[in-house]
Amino acid sequence: GQQLNQSPQSMFIQEGEDVSMNCTSSSIFNTWLWYKQDPGEGPVLLIALYKAGELTSNGRLTAQFGITRKDSFLNISASIPSDVGIYFCAGCYNNNDMRFGAGTRLTVKP
Amino acid sequence: DGGITQSPKYLFRKEGQNVTLSCEQNLNHDAMYWYRQDPGQGLRLIYYSQIVNDFQKGDIAEGYSVSREKKESFPLTVTSAQKNPTAFYLCASKRQGLSNQPQHFGDGTRLSIL
Repeated sequence: GQQLNQSPQSMFIQEGEDVSMNCTSSSIFNTWLWYKQDPGEGPVLLIALYKAGELTSNGRLTAQFGITRKDSFLNISASIPSDVGIYFCAGCYNNNDMRFGAGTRLTVKP
Repeated sequence: DGGITQSPKYLFRKEGQNVTLSCEQNLNHDAMYWYRQDPGQGLRLIYYSQIVNDFQKGDIAEGYSVSREKKESFPLTVTSAQKNPTAFYLCASKRQGLSNQPQHFGDGTRLSIL
């Protein structure tokens, strides 16, 4: 199946800094999703992208669906301690084929 | 409150034992999914079901079994044939439709070997 490459694997940043992470694939997707997972809990949906080129914001989070349909990025502005967690990208081609990146572990130092 | 409930939160399995993980949703979602999560890896699909009484194997179905007798419920059995069952198991559900609706997740069950 399609493989997603998510980078970076981990990030250590200072509170107030901006963060950027991305996912790339060798195959195209029709939908890109970004989730956040806190320790011991399930992933929570942050942003869903449905159209190539689409740029969507959710508070301090901004995500874009790449024009080639093979990539997506997530930016977090002015990070705060509660942004700590693992961020996953997911790409969907059809209704039941969703692929996940390996995650970006974010640590925010106060 | 609408949502996806997984139980138990923690489960221990003895050698040779089958264990069943529960997943219930009251979101009226048609499709349900089981994923396995190992440290440092993305989620891998075990089984999914689009409608009642029907389910399909995912990428790593060996050693697992499921049933879908009710729309709300999609239990996963980890059989003794699964030699490396220690992992975090996540259940998800979503509405089926023309567009790719996002999946919503439960809070997971952590399975360990005794």
